[in-house]
Amino acid sequence: DIQMTQSPSSLSASVGDRVTITCRASQGISNYLAWYQQKPGKVPKLLIYAASTLQSGVPSRFSGSGSGTDFTLTISSLQPEDVATYYCQKYSSAPYTFGQGTKLEIK
Amino acid sequence: QVQLVESGGGVVQPGKSLRLSCAASGFTFSSYAMHWVRQAPGKGLEWVAFISFDGRNKFYTDSVKGRFTISRDSSKNTLYLEVNSLRAEDTAVYYCAKVRTTVTPFDAFDIWGQGTMVTVSS
Repeated sequence: DIQMTQSPSSLSASVGDRVTITCRASQGISNYLAWYQQKPGKVPKLLIYAASTLQSGVPSRFSGSGSGTDFTLTISSLQPEDVATYYCQKYSSAPYTFGQGTKLEIK
Repeated sequence: QVQLVESGGGVVQPGKSLRLSCAASGFTFSSYAMHWVRQAPGKGLEWVAFISFDGRNKFYTDSVKGRFTISRDSSKNTLYLEVNSLRAEDTAVYYCAKVRTTVTPFDAFDIWGQGTMVTVSS
């Protein structure tokens, strides 16, 4: 099975900072990669699909890039409401594996 | 609006069974593949099971194969997860989720339910 590895596992940044989270697949998955945001006590929310397509209603400060095995989620200017855990997920085939998550906090 | 509402969770002894339900509304349920995802307390998301729009294709994560069964009833707009031979490590919030489009089953999950908690404890 393909493994999904996110880094870092946690990070702390200041409001206004540019934040980058990476996700690596153990084998190529083309662009079958999604990013989700889960705020504390809430349900996961789809941010990006097809590696770089912003889901409707998601603020434009979020962006995604990559293809094959290496992917990136970028927040261009961190806002207080972005405090959450972020997960990548492959959906090229079963199992639809999630990364272990990246917990983002405000410094 | 598009909505998924899970039910059926609870506290159950090891080895016992439960049937989780996910009631769908606001979209053509019979046209979309569906998934179950779980999250153990304080842990990350774990994909559990998939069912195609027509119920013909099903996939499971290895740890639940032979114990969990995903099914759907399009006449009731409801997704199910039969969970048998429960273990302590099955303790989690169970979410149902809808795939984003009807074009392919290999797509991201755009709508999630609020989850139902399953606690396996003696």
